[in-house]
Parts: sequence; C-alpha cells; structure tokens
Amino acid sequence: AQKVTQAQTEISVVEKEDVTLDCVYETRDTTYYLFWYKQPPSGELVFLIRRNSFDEQNEISGRYSWNFQKSTSSFNFTITASQVVDSAVYFCALSEAETGNQFYFGTGTSLTVIP
Amino acid sequence: DTGVSQDPRHKITKRGQNVTFRCDPISEHNRLYWYRQTLGQGPEFLTYFQNEAQLEKSRLLSDRFSAERPKGSFSTLEIQRTEQGDSAMYLCASGYGGANYGYTFGSGTRLTVV
Repeated sequence: AQKVTQAQTEISVVEKEDVTLDCVYETRDTTYYLFWYKQPPSGELVFLIRRNSFDEQNEISGRYSWNFQKSTSSFNFTITASQVVDSAVYFCALSEAETGNQFYFGTGTSLTVIP
Repeated sequence: DTGVSQDPRHKITKRGQNVTFRCDPISEHNRLYWYRQTLGQGPEFLTYFQNEAQLEKSRLLSDRFSAERPKGSFSTLEIQRTEQGDSAMYLCASGYGGANYGYTFGSGTRLTVV
C-alpha cells in the first residue's frame, strides 16, 4: 500500500496565484516525520521542511506554508504568490520512527508557474 | 562543503553491460543512502550505509546490484548485466542519522539502458 499519496499529478498556475499541494500519508507508528522536497529540472532533491508527528503547529517560511492535520493524515503545502522559479516537482515523504532509515516518497506533483 | 556529488551525471549503456556510479557524500556525514527514481515516480529506497557497513538493503536491490562504501567515505553502486528496466535516476544522499533527521541529496546519475 502506498504510504504517501499525492493525488495531484500536475498543476499549472499563473504567476502570483496561490497554490496548494496536497499530501496524505498512512502509518501505524505514533512517532513519524513528514518532509517536503523540491526537485527542479536539475534533478537534485532540495529539502524544504521537516515536521514530527507531535508538532501540529502550522509553519510559515516566506511564501511557503504548511498545514499539518493528524485527524485527516494530511500535510499540505501552500505557495503564496507563486513565481516562475517555483516550477518544479514537489515530493512529500514520510519517515517512520521504527524503521527510520528510509523515506517513503509520494509520486510527486509537477508544478508549472506560467509567467 | 560542496554538498553530495555524484558521477557521472548521465550514463548510456547497452543492455548486458556493467555500470558503476560513484557518490561522494558530505564529509562529516556518517550515513549514506542510495535511492532509485523512475520516470514519474518518487524515489525508492535501495540501501544505506553507516560508515562502511551496509546495514539495510531493499528488495529492489537484486543480485545484479552491489554497493560498497570502503573506508566509510565515498560509495559506489554497480549494476551488472544491465537490463532496460534498470533505466532510472540513481540518487545518493547523506546525513548524520536516520531518515528522521532528513538528509542531503545529490543531483543523481541518470542511467539509460538501450
């Protein structure tokens, strides 16, 4: 079973629009960690955020914000006032405390920001 | 600190040939990971090292795959008798601890088997 689901395969927005990328996860562990990574065309996965299962406080970093809701097993990512440089594939990932040696990645959401 | 380096960036090989990729992690990181990413998919875990010890291998890592990390520094991933299904991006990452702490990825080696 897929542990991380990113239902949106591709999203296109016009520059300056806000966009939310969805992530739903599944785990039986009570302690786990959630991540978002950005993968530009160069291929490197760029770390954006790490959140542990005990911290449901939403986080804002510049134009980026994250909404973590354990009740719905979701960890959504919003980009405000999108820019062309935000165009990339975004991956949500889960790491479980019990088997904490690997990430379980979703299939990614390809975001295109149109100027 | 120049991040995680992978070489080569691209490799085209004929089916049946052997290929070897290299990963140079961030020097002070004791853990090194290999992932494979096929087109349109997220990366999938292959194996990881703590220092020079290979501690875990995924079922994805068939007998044709072997990874080493001599002296706990750089790592190599070799694929013997390549098949078309091996075509993918091979990503290396390094970190201080387990995945729970997050780690730094390299830019990957894109393998095309023709």
